[in-house]
Amino acid sequence: AQSVTQPDIHITVSEGASLELRCNYSYGATPYLFWYVQSPGQGLQLLLKYFSGDTLVQGIKGFEAEFKRSQSSFNLRKPSVHWSDAAEYFCAVGGVGRRALTFGSGTRLQVQP
Amino acid sequence: DVKVTQSSRYLVKRTGEKVFLECVQDMDHENMFWYRQDPGLGLRLIYFSYDVKMKEKGDIPEGYSVSREKKERFSLILESASTNQTSMYLCASRPVGGSGANVLTFGAGSRLTVL
Repeated sequence: AQSVTQPDIHITVSEGASLELRCNYSYGATPYLFWYVQSPGQGLQLLLKYFSGDTLVQGIKGFEAEFKRSQSSFNLRKPSVHWSDAAEYFCAVGGVGRRALTFGSGTRLQVQP
Repeated sequence: DVKVTQSSRYLVKRTGEKVFLECVQDMDHENMFWYRQDPGLGLRLIYFSYDVKMKEKGDIPEGYSVSREKKERFSLILESASTNQTSMYLCASRPVGGSGANVLTFGAGSRLTVL
């Protein structure tokens, strides 16, 4: 069975500081990996995805993530956080065809001025 | 842009009522999904549909049913609402092929409160 673990429930960073959100997954084959962001009262928006190829992927809003197969990880990073990045972030894993995505429990990011 | 529209943003229902949550997508996506979102639990899959009239149970289908009579519309039905079904419900769709394959697009969510 596929699963995702986001070990940090809540993270607080200062504006301008760097950010890393952790994600570990379990999947029986080559995974498709995703990061989504949810602002308060909104649905989820795709930040970035990894399907194959270069293990460092770039997304929207200055985010990037690195796929590390040996560690079963897909951590999200941003070099300098902005106050507007405060939101909840979800990592997800899934495959092709009829398999649905499995999401982690989310990490809530708070940004201090 | 692909749009996924959930007709009701906020609903308040009473225990035992039948509840319909409607979701419509406008980009001819083959697959549609219903997830439930609860604090600390993330998103959990209730049902998904990979084509018209086709459906598969997700991780937490108990107490729910679905209907997909047309490609663009996927309905979630609570036959007899209970208080433990108070939650945020998220609909999503995705294409099978093309550049957007395997990427879910979400609606804004329907927050259901069962009293």
